[in-house]
Amino acid sequence: KQEVTQIPAALSVPEGENLVLNCSFTDSAIYNLQWFRQDPGKGLTSLLLIQSSQREQTSGRLNASLDKSSGRSTLYIAASQPGDSATYLCAGNNFGNEKLTFGTGTRLTIIP
Amino acid sequence: ETGVTQTPRHLVMGMTNKKSLKCEQHLGHNAMYWYKQSAKKPLELMFVYSLEERVENNSVPSRFSPECPNSSHLFLHLHTLQPEDSALYLCASSPWWTGGPGTGELFFGEGSRLTVL
Repeated sequence: KQEVTQIPAALSVPEGENLVLNCSFTDSAIYNLQWFRQDPGKGLTSLLLIQSSQREQTSGRLNASLDKSSGRSTLYIAASQPGDSATYLCAGNNFGNEKLTFGTGTRLTIIP
Repeated sequence: ETGVTQTPRHLVMGMTNKKSLKCEQHLGHNAMYWYKQSAKKPLELMFVYSLEERVENNSVPSRFSPECPNSSHLFLHLHTLQPEDSALYLCASSPWWTGGPGTGELFFGEGSRLTVL
């Protein structure tokens, strides 16, 4: 059974710093991986999707990478801003299994 | 209106009530999902519909009854719920649901916060 670990569970950093969030899968053969953010009491907003043969994706100050040999993904946030404060979740699936397995998230607080 | 819309945003019901959650997607997607989010637990997939046909039912109790009348609308009918069913219920959609390559990007609604008294 696929399980996803996100470390750390919570992170506080001063505004302007670069930071990395981590995600690891017990079954490393991840085919698709998606990163989301969730604001308190709200739904999930898709940030980045890494599909099939891709290894990374970038959108603005965000960069996500996937190491398929280890089953680990990182989300890099450059020049953090208070508006980046949210919970960040990763989710992935293995080839042939469309169901995404989610982590429990990293709660990020950017201190002004 | 764009994206995935869920109503109501908040719902309080007694254990003997019957209520429904509604989801509508304006993205032209073929797959729709219900997820349950409880505190400190990963999202749990409940149901998946592909082209209005139910393709996944993750051992969900029968007190939850989904309905997908067309590819844009999804309902979750609730009856005789238990207090432990209190959670955030999230609807999502994706371009497709096929074997192998995955589903494409998953888009979520804002959720319906359910409290069962």
